[in-house]
Amino acid sequence: DIVMTQFPLSLPVTPGEPASISCRSSQSLQHSNGYNYVDWYLQRPGQSPQLLIYMGSDRASGVPVRFSGSGSGTDFTLKITRVEAEDVGVYYCMQALQTPWTFGQGTKVEIK
Amino acid sequence: EVQLVESGGGLVKPGGSLRLSCAASGFSLSSDTMNWVRQVPGKGLQWVSSISSRNTVIYYADSVKGRFTISRDNAKNLVFLQMNNLRAEDTAVYSCARAKFPGDVGGFDIWGQGTLVIVSS
Repeated sequence: DIVMTQFPLSLPVTPGEPASISCRSSQSLQHSNGYNYVDWYLQRPGQSPQLLIYMGSDRASGVPVRFSGSGSGTDFTLKITRVEAEDVGVYYCMQALQTPWTFGQGTKVEIK
Repeated sequence: EVQLVESGGGLVKPGGSLRLSCAASGFSLSSDTMNWVRQVPGKGLQWVSSISSRNTVIYYADSVKGRFTISRDNAKNLVFLQMNNLRAEDTAVYSCARAKFPGDVGGFDIWGQGTLVIVSS
């Protein structure tokens, strides 16, 4: 199975400041078509996960432009340009290159 | 409103069975790959199973293979998860999720709120 490792696991943030979460996979997630099969989700407290980024860098419908995804191969990053209070929750990366689809452990983002 | 609603969870003894349902509303899931994902309260996400739009491609996590069966009824806009020989470690909230594109590519863009399964004597 592909192991997804996120860091940090806890991220205190200040509203208006940038934030960054890293995700590393145990093997390359780059498909032969050139796309990276990694997605990012935000699970707000008490809610279901929400898709933020798919295929490494494509923003899902309705997701604010302050969220961006980057990276290739085994190293990926989710960035928030300016954190807002509604961004608190747990962020997960997930690989969809080969089954079983696997998630990272989650990064808990909270306001300082 | 586009949504997925799960039902069928509950308390069951080890070795018992449950059948979960996932009902789609506001859209037709007949062309979509559908998944089940579970989450132990307070813990992370674990993918459980996936079924393609026409039942031709089905995958399971090793931890449930041989015990769980995913199926669908496109005419009724439903997806199911039959869970047999349940174990304590299957205790979790089970959510269904739609894949944005066929083959689970593009992430899971619609999620249900989940149904809680508790396996305990």
